[in-house]
Amino acid sequence: KAGVTQTPRYLIKTRGQQVTLSCSPISGHRSVSWYQQTPGQGLQFLFEYFSETQRNKGNFPGRFSGRQFSNSRSEMNVSTLELGDSALYLCASSFSTSGNSYEQYFGPGTRLTVT
Amino acid sequence: AQSVTQLGSHVSVSEGALVLLRCNYSSSVPPYLFWYVQYPNQGLQLLLKYTTGATLVKGINGFEAEFKKSETSFHLTKPSAHMSDAAEYFCAVSVPGANNLFFGTGTRLTVIP
Repeated sequence: KAGVTQTPRYLIKTRGQQVTLSCSPISGHRSVSWYQQTPGQGLQFLFEYFSETQRNKGNFPGRFSGRQFSNSRSEMNVSTLELGDSALYLCASSFSTSGNSYEQYFGPGTRLTVT
Repeated sequence: AQSVTQLGSHVSVSEGALVLLRCNYSSSVPPYLFWYVQYPNQGLQLLLKYTTGATLVKGINGFEAEFKKSETSFHLTKPSAHMSDAAEYFCAVSVPGANNLFFGTGTRLTVIP
């Protein structure tokens, strides 16, 4: 099976702009989660989508949003970018149907730099 | 609430020596516990997981971890370090009914030839 793919792998944006990141989960996986990784804050959970519905949400401002399509692909959007949004954004997919966290498979990430 | 503490942000071992990476967790309910590894410029790869049952779990690449409820620990070990083990290791916790992971701050493992 192909793994989790994320596009683009690298992005450079300017403060105030918005950005959309894409994630394609492993075939058959219906749950997609997003995480932010920074040197200062480490790995933090953003949100999870299952069957096109946000099932769980972390503690991030409303500038961070996401959605999931009927084919389970997911996008996350960050509006009004700030310098502190510079991070590696990781997507993870899992087969989880009950909401339990078993195995999450991570993509390579999108490295976002905000200047 | 759940949280994870990883003792030691950097650990160095000689090739062939024992690897021990420490993880302590806090959870109000019986947790699910995970160890992930991250190589430079890559995502996270699952090494092993504990959900229920046997408290000693074996993972990939010769790693294993033991869930000790009384000590709220889930330390990662490998009997003999290999150069290819050099990477960053993350311990994570979740709880039944929630598919989100809480990660520790990571431990960077260096293997000295």
